Amino acid sequence: DTAVSQTPKYLVTQMGNDKSIKCEQNLGHDTMYWYKQDSKKFLKIMFSYNNKELIINETVPNRFSPKSPDKAHLNLHINSLELGDSAVYFCASSQGAGANYGYTFGSGTRLTVV
Amino acid sequence: GQQVMQIPQYQHVQEGEDFTTYCNSSTTLSNIQWYKQRPGGHPVFLIQLVKSGEVKKQKRLTFQFGEAKKNSSLHITATQTTDVGTYFCAANDDKIIFGKGTRLHILP
Repeated sequence: DTAVSQTPKYLVTQMGNDKSIKCEQNLGHDTMYWYKQDSKKFLKIMFSYNNKELIINETVPNRFSPKSPDKAHLNLHINSLELGDSAVYFCASSQGAGANYGYTFGSGTRLTVV
Repeated sequence: GQQVMQIPQYQHVQEGEDFTTYCNSSTTLSNIQWYKQRPGGHPVFLIQLVKSGEVKKQKRLTFQFGEAKKNSSLHITATQTTDVGTYFCAANDDKIIFGKGTRLHILP
């Protein structure tokens, strides 16, 4: 069974389009995250939700909007896609908020904006 | 905010040689975590260190947390091709902050 699953795995789209990435975890974790990994492999946190409540919102353009319908799901919607948005986006979950628990990552969504 | 510096950025070793990556912080850390990401894969949690001077082993991997809780290291003994990947340390703030990683390449 997949613990943290993201869809789609690959996403190729044109500049200006709007797209969504979905994430679901079946671990019963309370906290979920979105990370962006650029071409240099730097992992940067974008958002974190704890029991559907937004707890971390890093300096991310307003074009990025997370939504958590329940604590097992965290989706990411991106408006007006730009070339610089091309990256791998990882969803992750942890048992609780903060950094006292190891994170379980999804397999990533490779977004290419052309 | 919390930052962790990780060195080296890249490391090439012959198969069978040892490998070490270091993680340093200017402030005291409450804990530190280590992750491994295989090429094309996702980060996988390896371990968390909490106590000052703590040393933990996982087969050929040895993890250390400094006495001052400002640095940590991951040492791999007798590397194998399966060790290829990027190793990240991650430090505790109100969230986990990842270091920039060390990419390990194994030469056969």
